[in-house]
Amino acid sequence: KAGVTQTPRYLIKTRGQQVTLSCSPISGHRSVSWYQQTPGQGLQFLFEYFSETQRNKGNFPGRFSGRQFSNSRSEMNVSTLELGDSALYLCASSGGLAGAWGEQFFGPGTRLTVL
Amino acid sequence: DAKTTQPTSMDCAEGRAANLPCNHSTISGNEYVYWYRQIHSQGPQYIIHGLKNNETNEMASLIITEDRKSSTLILPHATLRDTAVYYCIVSSGSARQLTFGSGTQLTVLP
Repeated sequence: KAGVTQTPRYLIKTRGQQVTLSCSPISGHRSVSWYQQTPGQGLQFLFEYFSETQRNKGNFPGRFSGRQFSNSRSEMNVSTLELGDSALYLCASSGGLAGAWGEQFFGPGTRLTVL
Repeated sequence: DAKTTQPTSMDCAEGRAANLPCNHSTISGNEYVYWYRQIHSQGPQYIIHGLKNNETNEMASLIITEDRKSSTLILPHATLRDTAVYYCIVSSGSARQLTFGSGTQLTVLP
C-alpha cells in the first residue's frame, strides 16, 4: 500500500505570495490532517478534513485554509506569506474511525521557506 | 486534550530495552494514549496506542498504569535506528487532533 505523499517536497516563496500544498492520503483513508512544524513551536495542528468537510481547526489565522476533494486528496493554501510561515508542513491520513483515529500516517512533509 | 510530561532526553545502549515514561495525570476516561516518534527531518511515525490495557505490537509495548495517570513505552531491543524524538499524546477520538508536546529525545548508543 502506498504511503501518504506530499508535493512539492521543497518550496521557496517570498513574502506576500501565496502557496498551495498537496497531500494524497493512503488509499481508503478519508481523514486528512495538516500540521505545521517549526523549531520554536514544534508540531502544531492546523486542520482536519473528513469526507470533504473540515471537522476541526487549530489556532491559526485565516490565511491558512484547506480543502478536501471527493477522492480524499487534500490541499492547503497559505495566502500573504510571512517570514514566520517558514516551516515543515506535514499531512497525515487515517481511517477516521473514532478509536483508531489517532493512528495517523504522516507524509514526508513539504519544506516551505519564505524569503 | 490532556497534557503529558516526558523527560527531555534519554540514552539507551544498543540491544538493551528502552523504557520511555510519560505522565498524563489529567487523562479522562475516553482518551487514548498514543506514541509517535520522529526521526530527524521525517514525518512522525505512529508506534502504538492504548486505552486501558497494555498493548504490544511488532515495534513496541505500551504499559499503562491501572489509574491511567502514566504510561511507559518499551522498545525491547533498541537499535541505532531507534534514535528519534518520541512523543506521548493523549487524545479522544472526538477531539480529532493530535497535540504534540516536546517529546523525549532518545539516543541509542553503540
